[in-house]
Amino acid sequence: GQQVMQIPQYQHVQEGEDFTTYCNSSTTLSNIQWYKQRPGGHPVFLIQLVKSGEVKKQKRLTFQFGEAKKNSSLHITATQTTDVGTYFCAGPESSYKLIFGSGTRLLVRP
Amino acid sequence: GAVVSQHPSWVICKSGTSVKIECRSLDFQATTMFWYRQFPKQSLMLMATSNEGSKATYEQGVEKDKFLINHASLTLSTLTVTSAHPEDSSFYICSARGGGVDTQYFGPGTRLTVL
Repeated sequence: GQQVMQIPQYQHVQEGEDFTTYCNSSTTLSNIQWYKQRPGGHPVFLIQLVKSGEVKKQKRLTFQFGEAKKNSSLHITATQTTDVGTYFCAGPESSYKLIFGSGTRLLVRP
Repeated sequence: GAVVSQHPSWVICKSGTSVKIECRSLDFQATTMFWYRQFPKQSLMLMATSNEGSKATYEQGVEKDKFLINHASLTLSTLTVTSAHPEDSSFYICSARGGGVDTQYFGPGTRLTVL
């Protein structure tokens, strides 16, 4: 079945450093979604990318969707302690079902 | 908008008892609701998908007789963990989709501990 992998599994950065997480799907995706889960919390929708090569920005967060629509990345510029959490990408397996990536856990040292 | 609530937020029960978790979409009609389970430091694993008024579709390996799902209305779905055992202890999260958008909106989750 479809698999969505993320790397790295875990990253610990100094506040102010940049952070990037990469997402790779075994199949071509119609869209890719990104979620953030704070420790002890639930996933919160961040963004959806649909077009090949699409780039979207939300303040310090930059999201990219690969040309082949099989990979994506999330880049955070100048991390802050509020960025702490686990970032998941998710791709649709069917018209209604999402497959979540393994997640990248970000810790930020103040 | 797009608020999903879950109740209870946490529950502790004895082994062998049943626990019901409610998931409600507060400001939109959810044509589809999803139930996930998440173990510590792991990703979300889809357990089942429910559409209002029809039987839930369970993922492979999920026992439908153990995890009973009822989607009685466009704003409410329930998950009942029957005869719970310690290995069922987990974080159960529902999500809802509706209002003409593909995005899933997640509830706050229910942390179940079975003693």
